[in-house]
Amino acid sequence: DVVMTQSPLSLPVTLGQPASISCRSSQSLVYGDGNTYLNWFQQRPGQSPRRLIYKVSNRVSGVPDRFSGSGSGTDFTLKISRVEAEDVGVYYCMQSTHWPPAFGQGTKLEIK
Amino acid sequence: EVQLVESGGGLVQPGGSLRLSCAASGFTFSSYWMIWVRQAPGKGLEWVASIKQDGSEKYHVDSVKGRFTISRDNARNSLYLQMNSLRAEDTAVYYCARDPTWSPDYWGQGTLVTVSS
Repeated sequence: DVVMTQSPLSLPVTLGQPASISCRSSQSLVYGDGNTYLNWFQQRPGQSPRRLIYKVSNRVSGVPDRFSGSGSGTDFTLKISRVEAEDVGVYYCMQSTHWPPAFGQGTKLEIK
Repeated sequence: EVQLVESGGGLVQPGGSLRLSCAASGFTFSSYWMIWVRQAPGKGLEWVASIKQDGSEKYHVDSVKGRFTISRDNARNSLYLQMNSLRAEDTAVYYCARDPTWSPDYWGQGTLVTVSS
């Protein structure tokens, strides 16, 4: 099975400052059709997960443009250009290129 | 508006059974793969099972294979998870989600399953 490893696991950030989360997979996430099925989710306290990014860098409609995704192969990054209070929560990367789909351990973003 | 509402969770003894349901509305249910994902208390997310639009393909992760069965009723716009031989480690919030292209886009609010004597 593919293992997804996120870092850091805890991310204290000052309001208005940038934040970056790394996600590495144990195998390449490039599928046979040429797509890379790497997603990012946000889970605010007490809420269900919310999809932010799909196929590495495609922002979901309604997600603020301060969120961006990048990467290729086995190394991926979620960046928040300027952290706002509403960004507090846990962020998960998830691969769906290989069965079974797998999530990273989660990165808890908090405000300093 | 897409809505997914889970039900059926509760307290069950080890070795017991439970059937979760997910009522879907606001979209053409029969056109989408559907999935179950779970989250143990204070832990991360774990994909549990997936089912194709017409129910002809079903996939379960190894940890639940042979014990859990995903199913759907397109006439009732409903997704199900039959859980048998439950173990303490199955304790979690179970979410149903719509999965258009192996990227779940809408999630329910979850239903809590607690396996304990």
